[in-house]
Amino acid sequence: AQSVTQPDIHITVSEGASLELRCNYSYGATPYLFWYVQSPGQGLQLLLKYFSGDTLVQGIKGFEAEFKRSQSSFNLRKPSVHWSDAAEYFCAVGGFNQGGKLIFGQGTELSVKP
Amino acid sequence: NAGVTQTPKFQVLKTGQSMTLQCAQDMNHEYMSWYRQDPGMGLRLIHYSVGAGITDQGEVPNGYNVSRSTTEDFPLRLLSAAPSQTSVYFCASSYGGQGDSNYGYTFGSGTRLTVV
Repeated sequence: AQSVTQPDIHITVSEGASLELRCNYSYGATPYLFWYVQSPGQGLQLLLKYFSGDTLVQGIKGFEAEFKRSQSSFNLRKPSVHWSDAAEYFCAVGGFNQGGKLIFGQGTELSVKP
Repeated sequence: NAGVTQTPKFQVLKTGQSMTLQCAQDMNHEYMSWYRQDPGMGLRLIHYSVGAGITDQGEVPNGYNVSRSTTEDFPLRLLSAAPSQTSVYFCASSYGGQGDSNYGYTFGSGTRLTVV
């Protein structure tokens, strides 16, 4: 079955600390992987995506993610968190010739302590 | 560019009423989708379309209809609203293509629907 798991429902980090949000997927074909961010009351904004090639991808707002095929993971990282990064983060997987269907994880809510 | 526009932003319906959630995009995207977002469940796909005249069911299609008569518009119809359809609904669109570097969904700002 195709699925995405984000093991951490809620994470709290101090401003300036590093961040890693975990994402594991189960997908029967070559995955296209995405991270989205959602601020309260807003829609989703694409942070970064992976299709192929370099397994470390850079995104907006200083985020990066690393695709590890052997671990079926696509973890999101940021070296130094800012208070404005507080939001909900969603990992999603789609595939080649899948009509653009995305499967989302349950989301991880990030709180930032001053 | 307006991107993906959803209307209305808020709606309250009585059980049994019908309504249409509107979605329009001005980016000439082939793919369009509807998702619902419920607490602790992420986003779940309701219906999707890979082009005008082509639609298919997603994970949770029951109680919803869609059509895609133009590239720009992808309305979602609730046939007979039920309290279980209380949710936030998101429309999204993307370029199609296989491995297209532009592939990646753009989301609307959502419609918050309450069914009483």
